[in-house]
Amino acid sequence: GQSLEQPSEVTAVEGAIVQINCTYQTSGFYGLSWYQQHDGGAPTFLSYNALDGLEETGRFSSFLSRSDSYGYLLLQELQMKDSASYFCAVIHYGGATNKLIFGTGTLLAVQP
Amino acid sequence: EAGVTQFPSHSVIEKGQTVTLRCDPISGHDNLYWYRRVMGKEIKFLLHFVKESKQDESGMPNNRFLAERTGGTYSTLKVQPAELEDSGVYFCASSQDTFTGELFFGEGSRLTVL
Repeated sequence: GQSLEQPSEVTAVEGAIVQINCTYQTSGFYGLSWYQQHDGGAPTFLSYNALDGLEETGRFSSFLSRSDSYGYLLLQELQMKDSASYFCAVIHYGGATNKLIFGTGTLLAVQP
Repeated sequence: EAGVTQFPSHSVIEKGQTVTLRCDPISGHDNLYWYRRVMGKEIKFLLHFVKESKQDESGMPNNRFLAERTGGTYSTLKVQPAELEDSGVYFCASSQDTFTGELFFGEGSRLTVL
């Protein structure tokens, strides 16, 4: 089976940097994605790592270590609008098909 | 370009009734997924269509759930008869490429079974 672990809640202040960790156990691992969800609405794609290393997109960066089955999302210069739930998701490759397996999400609260 | 649309946005039904949820994916997206989130838990995979074919329905809870995708366009997810534990938010997502890790999600259909 597959499992992902991430912290349930994180709190930080505006302007700060926060890191949300994700560890996973899965067969058929193909890559790791991150999604943001505001107020239970549509999850929106943030980033994707297929190879080890850091991917940077503006204020957000994502890291993957395949050997450690570990990744993280780094949010810099936090803004109030970054308050949301953040999900890591592994692409599970199962031969003829593949799918995203999501974690339980991390609720980020950004305080003034 | 229109995004993924889902209907209804919210449905309240009684145990034993039937509900049908609809998803219209982004035009041209062959891959269509259904997911469900129960309060506080993970976004759980239900099934995956490629065009009109079910590629993976390993996440469907039981035979009370039936998904179809007519002509490879829109999809429906029917729950019959509904049980209390079926309550949650049902998300539909679509993509053209399955290996980029990027799915486009709809706003979800919130189902409440009383």
